Amino acid sequence: EAQVTQNPRYLITVTGKKLTVTCSQNMNHEYMSWYRQDPGLGLRQIYYSMNVEVTDKGDVPEGYKVSRKEKRNFPLILESPSPNQTSLYFCASSFGGGLYEQYFGPGTRLTVT
Amino acid sequence: QKEVEQDPGPLSVPEGAIVSLNCTYSNSAFQYFMWYRQYSRKGPELLMYTYSSGNKEDGRFTAQVDKSSKYISLFIRDSQPSDSATYLCAMSGDYKLSFGAGTTVTVRA
Repeated sequence: EAQVTQNPRYLITVTGKKLTVTCSQNMNHEYMSWYRQDPGLGLRQIYYSMNVEVTDKGDVPEGYKVSRKEKRNFPLILESPSPNQTSLYFCASSFGGGLYEQYFGPGTRLTVT
Repeated sequence: QKEVEQDPGPLSVPEGAIVSLNCTYSNSAFQYFMWYRQYSRKGPELLMYTYSSGNKEDGRFTAQVDKSSKYISLFIRDSQPSDSATYLCAMSGDYKLSFGAGTTVTVRA
């Protein structure tokens, strides 16, 4: 089954404790991206990657890191999480750069206390 | 000012009604215009996309894009309770995707 998977689905952590949210896709997509979703603000892009070893900042990259060492994986790293990073996070992937058919993962709900 | 503006609603309609959703945008570089549907506790899923201006129909769903006015619409005909969800407009250009805030729709049986 074609899908994007994220882990963990739910995470409660404390300020400053480094964490990684994993994302994996099995569709051989070149493009992968991370978004955060907050009430009233919709989905905002954090980082994106057009292919292996190629990443770029989205609209809200501060406080986040990413890496793309393999085509299928695109982990999101929070080196020192803060309460304002409490949010619902989605990973997505698509063929090419048109971005007109993104496949989204199920989401990771992160709470930073 | 946000790049994409979408009325958050909520919108409540009786079963069988026509649902009308719309978004405005400011970036002339947008070329693809999408509508996503998001059920509670799920990731967004693509409903349909349109390239440049024009209309596109898929079953009960019709998407319209007017680039001259920077305005896009989604119409849902004969709405069903299963259409109850949050609808997100999205637009892409230059390898980036921008979303509206989403409109929550409830179709009452």
